[in-house]
Order: sequence, then C-alpha cells, then structure tokens
Amino acid sequence: DGGITQSPKYLFRKEGQNVTLSCEQNLNHDAMYWYRQDPGQGLRLIYYSQIVNDFQKGDIAEGYSVSREKKESFPLTVTSAQKNPTAFYLCASNRGGTEETQYFGPGTRLLVL
Amino acid sequence: GDSVTQMEGPVTLSEEAFLTINCTYTATGYPSLFWYVQYPGEGLQLLLKATKADDKGSNKGFEATYRKETTSFHLEKGSVQVSDSAVYFCALTPSNDYKLSFGAGTTVTVRA
Repeated sequence: DGGITQSPKYLFRKEGQNVTLSCEQNLNHDAMYWYRQDPGQGLRLIYYSQIVNDFQKGDIAEGYSVSREKKESFPLTVTSAQKNPTAFYLCASNRGGTEETQYFGPGTRLLVL
Repeated sequence: GDSVTQMEGPVTLSEEAFLTINCTYTATGYPSLFWYVQYPGEGLQLLLKATKADDKGSNKGFEATYRKETTSFHLEKGSVQVSDSAVYFCALTPSNDYKLSFGAGTTVTVRA
C-alpha cells in the first residue's frame, strides 16, 4: 500500500535531550512537510522540502532541524533548544509544483518527561 | 498575509441533524480551498477541495462551495452520523504557492 508512515506513535523526551521523529513515504512525492499541532490550534508549518538535499524553514522552525538525504525520508529532530516541544507532529507530502493537495501521515505525539 | 477563520467549536449534534461549519478566508488572488478531517488520534485526511470560484467540492455527503464574493467555503452535511465525529479543518493554498494555511479546527461530536 502506498502512503506515509510516521514513527514512533508516541515519543518521550527528557530535559535537554534531542529526539528524532521519522517520516517515510512511498508515494514518489517530491515535496515533504512537517507541521506541529497544539490543542485548539490549527497546524503550523515547521519545515518543508521540495526536493532532495534542499529544505526551507516554515513559520516556527526555531528549535527544530531536518534533513532530506533521500526522496522517501524527511526526519525531524526536536532539539533541546525547543522549550515547549509537547505537541502532535504531522508529516505530509505531495508531488510539489502545482499540486495543492497534501497527504498526511498518522502523526507522532511527543511528550516531555 | 493569507489566513483562514473558521467557526469555533465544539459543536454537538444529534444523529441525522444538519451540520454547517463556517469558514472564511483572507488571501490575494485565487487560492485553492480545502476541508480536512481528523479522526481521534489520527492524522489529517482530505475531505474535499475546490480550486476556483463557484466550484463545489463534495465527498461522503459533505459539500462546500467556493464563494469568491463572500470569501467563504462553508462545510455542510445534511444528515450526520456518529462516525462523523471528528475535528474539521478549513485550509487554503495561495495561488502560485504550495504552503497550506489552516484554520484552528472545529470539533464536532455527533450523539446517537
């Protein structure tokens, strides 16, 4: 089945620790996106990548980092600089270019211990 | 900048009731408009979309019409089911861009 997978479903972070959230897609999509969802708010864009080895900051990139070494994969690292990391993180992808519709993964919930 | 404003929730309905969730937008040009749905504990799924004025998107009994004159894209369903309980997000992509801007989401609960 084609789709987007995110792992783990739940992730716990200790104070001062970096953690990495996985996002993989087998849809042959060029563009990938990371969003953060907080209760009662819409999604906010963290980072996006339109092509391998290239990515741009979104609206709330501080305290996060990404890489795009392979077309299928777009991992997100939540660094210790992110002071309020507890949230639901959603990865999305699309063909890029003029395609507007984004397809979402099931999400990872990050909790701070 | 571009933005989306949608009706605040939560909304609680009985089964077979009529559902409307209001959505208005601010954008230059002709954005594409979307409704996404999020079931508990899951990611977002595209429910419907419209890419130009007067287009009507429809899916699973839900409908929304792109109204340029009122900058609106209200979601409607004539008879809801318990399985429609979810959070609904209105969103837009500006013309010649790929970034999605989301509304805050509206939580809908349908009681049997």
